[in-house]
Amino acid sequence: KAGVTQTPRYLIKTRGQQVTLSCSPISGHRSVSWYQQTPGQGLQFLFEYFSETQRNKGNFPGRFSGRQFSNSRSEMNVSTLELGDSALYLCASSLSPGGSSYNEQFFGPGTRLTVL
Amino acid sequence: KQEVTQIPAALSVPEGENLVLNCSFTDSAIYNLQWFRQDPGKGLTSLLLIQSSQREQTSGRLNASLDKSSGRSTLYIAASQPGDSATYLCAAGATDSQGGSEKLVFGKGTKLTVNP
Repeated sequence: KAGVTQTPRYLIKTRGQQVTLSCSPISGHRSVSWYQQTPGQGLQFLFEYFSETQRNKGNFPGRFSGRQFSNSRSEMNVSTLELGDSALYLCASSLSPGGSSYNEQFFGPGTRLTVL
Repeated sequence: KQEVTQIPAALSVPEGENLVLNCSFTDSAIYNLQWFRQDPGKGLTSLLLIQSSQREQTSGRLNASLDKSSGRSTLYIAASQPGDSATYLCAAGATDSQGGSEKLVFGKGTKLTVNP
């Protein structure tokens, strides 16, 4: 069974640009969550999608947005990039939505975003 | 607001030693607790999931315990090997009391080095 895949693996952008990251969950998983990982803040929750609906959202500005398609694939968009957006962006998929004790999350390899 | 702490931040042991990694959380109202391993520059690998009603889980040389009343979880690694060298992260499944978000709240991790 294929794991969670993320594309692209690496991105270099300049301030002010926008970027779209993609995540394909494990087959059969309907929940996709996104996290930002930085050396200073560690792993922080961005948002979760389940059955094409955003269920949960972390404390990030509106420049960070996402969506989920009918095949459960998800995209994350960051507009007007800032230097502080440089990070490893990880997505995770699970069978059940957040809040369930069965909610075991499986992570992809991440997309390394560098903003110059 | 849920906070997760992992102590120590780094640990170095000789091969073959049994070791314990610690994780503490401030709010006992969690729906699960998950342990992950992260290799440098890579995504997270799920090791063990403990549901809120469970006290421990075992997988091979790994055993994780959960004590919600004291806000603690431990990951026990038996007969450590150089291949166990990685950063170990614990994450508590929690509901944000302010925003209502259900999400994993991560500790900063313990970097483990097992010396041959």
